[in-house]
Amino acid sequence: GAVVSQHPSRVICKSGTSVKIECRSLDFQATTMFWYRQFPKQSLMLMATSNEGSKATYEQGVEKDKFLINHASLTLSTLTVTSAHPEDSSFYICSARGGQGGNSPLHFGNGTRLTVT
Amino acid sequence: KQEVTQIPAALSVPEGENLVLNCSFTDSAIYNLQWFRQDPGKGLTSLLLIQSSQREQTSGRLNASLDKSSGRSTLYIAASQPGDSATYLCAVRTSYDKVIFGPGTSLSVIP
Repeated sequence: GAVVSQHPSRVICKSGTSVKIECRSLDFQATTMFWYRQFPKQSLMLMATSNEGSKATYEQGVEKDKFLINHASLTLSTLTVTSAHPEDSSFYICSARGGQGGNSPLHFGNGTRLTVT
Repeated sequence: KQEVTQIPAALSVPEGENLVLNCSFTDSAIYNLQWFRQDPGKGLTSLLLIQSSQREQTSGRLNASLDKSSGRSTLYIAASQPGDSATYLCAVRTSYDKVIFGPGTSLSVIP
């Protein structure tokens, strides 16, 4: 079945540094990928929609200059948390649509646990 | 604005029981509804996907139903096992190609 690989699974960084998270679709092409954030004991909140070859679409309240998204190919989207702050510590998950149209399922990566010290 | 809720927030049952998890959504204009499982600190595993034109889907001990007009879906788990312990999330895909997640139901199956 369709697989989405997310890397790294865990990362610890110091305040002020930047962290890049990769999301790859391994056996299918994904023109659209989605980035979610999950706080402890809460559900997933959509941060942005990543479109191959164009700018990402950010949800209201998400700082686009803080969370840089690049979708340079049909199999890779990256999320860079710039100038990380302890409040950015969270679980980040990406997903990719396994096909075209609204009826195709979403496949999720295993997530990245970010801890900013 | 689409809102998704799940009841109950937490559920604890003895092994072997059948159980039902509920998901409600406010806007019936959806493409599909998907049920996921999430283990602590892990990503999501897709369980069942129901298209908007479908009424139910089954996979093994799992059965999911969808009543779009009333904005409800249920996930039925038969003969529960300790390995079923996890958080179960429902997610609706809206007409604007967004997926809205419910808050989840935390299930604990006691041996």
